[in-house]
Amino acid sequence: AQTVTQSQPEMSVQEAETVTLSCTYDTSESDYYLFWYKQPPSRQMILVIRQEAYKQQNATENRFSVNFQKAAKSFSLKISDSQLGDAAMYFCAYRSAGGGTSYGKLTFGQGTILTVHP
Amino acid sequence: NAGVTQTPKFQVLKTGQSMTLQCAQDMNHEYMSWYRQDPGMGLRLIHYSVGAGITDQGEVPNGYNVSRSTTEDFPLRLLSAAPSQTSVYFCASSYSRGTGYTFGSGTRLTVV
Repeated sequence: AQTVTQSQPEMSVQEAETVTLSCTYDTSESDYYLFWYKQPPSRQMILVIRQEAYKQQNATENRFSVNFQKAAKSFSLKISDSQLGDAAMYFCAYRSAGGGTSYGKLTFGQGTILTVHP
Repeated sequence: NAGVTQTPKFQVLKTGQSMTLQCAQDMNHEYMSWYRQDPGMGLRLIHYSVGAGITDQGEVPNGYNVSRSTTEDFPLRLLSAAPSQTSVYFCASSYSRGTGYTFGSGTRLTVV
């Protein structure tokens, strides 16, 4: 079974600065997808960014980018020019691209609470 | 599109009662899932479905039942509520294997 680990329960950053959130995962599969989700105090889960394992190029969405290291099974999220609205819980997630019904499962890490200081 | 709609948003149950959490999506998504979120434990998968008539167990399925008779609906049934089922429940749907899941706004369930 796949596992996702976020080793930073809490992180903080000054407004306009850059912060990196860490995520590692364990899998024996070669084809899969990785995601970062944001959960603000409203509780709504919001997809931030998506990475395909077979693509070496790191995904980027505006101020959000990832550092995907497939061999190390590492998938970190970098937030540039942090804004007060970035304050939230961030979850890393794994989705298999494989057979059976396993591709229906999205496995989450424990989450990292990000605080943004003005 | 309304997206993923969960009802109710809040519910209080007594131990032993049964109830159904409703989930509907209007995006013609094949994949649907139920998660529970507890403090410090992230989101844990309860049950999921890869299409109408096909469901499978997730990480924490005990005490819950699901069925998927239509593409749009994926209800979660609590058979006999226990205090350990106090949690926030999320339903989610996905268009394809490679896309992320779209989440509903959640149901906060308290079992007393």
